[in-house]
Amino acid sequence: AQSVTQLDSQVPVFEEAPVELRCNYSSSVSVYLFWYVQYPNQGLQLLLKYLSGSTLVKGINGFEAEFNKSQTSFHLRKPSVHISDTAEYFCAVSEVDSSYKLIFGSGTRLLVRP
Amino acid sequence: SQTIHQWPATLVQPVGSPLSLECTVEGTSNPNLYWYRQAAGRGLQLLFYSVGIGQISSEVPQNLSASRPQDRQFILSSKKLLLSDSGFYLCACLPSGNTIYFGEGSWLTVV
Repeated sequence: AQSVTQLDSQVPVFEEAPVELRCNYSSSVSVYLFWYVQYPNQGLQLLLKYLSGSTLVKGINGFEAEFNKSQTSFHLRKPSVHISDTAEYFCAVSEVDSSYKLIFGSGTRLLVRP
Repeated sequence: SQTIHQWPATLVQPVGSPLSLECTVEGTSNPNLYWYRQAAGRGLQLLFYSVGIGQISSEVPQNLSASRPQDRQFILSSKKLLLSDSGFYLCACLPSGNTIYFGEGSWLTVV
């Protein structure tokens, strides 16, 4: 069974600084990888996804992530954050089977300070 | 594109009372449907998923059950709520392909 680890429960950063949110996964089969964002009291919004092909994927709001198969990682990055990026970020993995169950990490709260 | 409706958005229920949370999907046919729970300060836990009408798979033994009476309707139920059932419940949909989309969620507080 697959699992996802987000090592940082909270990441404080100043506005306009770069940020990296870490995500590691484990699985014995091929997977798809996702990052979702959750603003307070809302559902989850897809930021970006890796399915195949180029290991660097770009998403909405200036975020990007890089798939590293050897390190089983899918870290999320943004070169310059805004106050509005303050939210909970979830990394998720699904194994390529018929059910497409999405398994989530515990989340990382990004706190952008002025 | 698909739209996911969840209701009620907020619910306060006493311990021992029944529960029914409803999710309906528009804009797609024969989707995979999912119920997730997010407890306070924690990640998302997959509770149930369904690949078709009447087909329910449970991921975690618990006090809850799910049903799919129609193609685009997914219901989460309980006969007797526990305090530990409190949380944020999210319905999700896999319309086709490989990306799951989420509804706006339902807050359940058991008192």
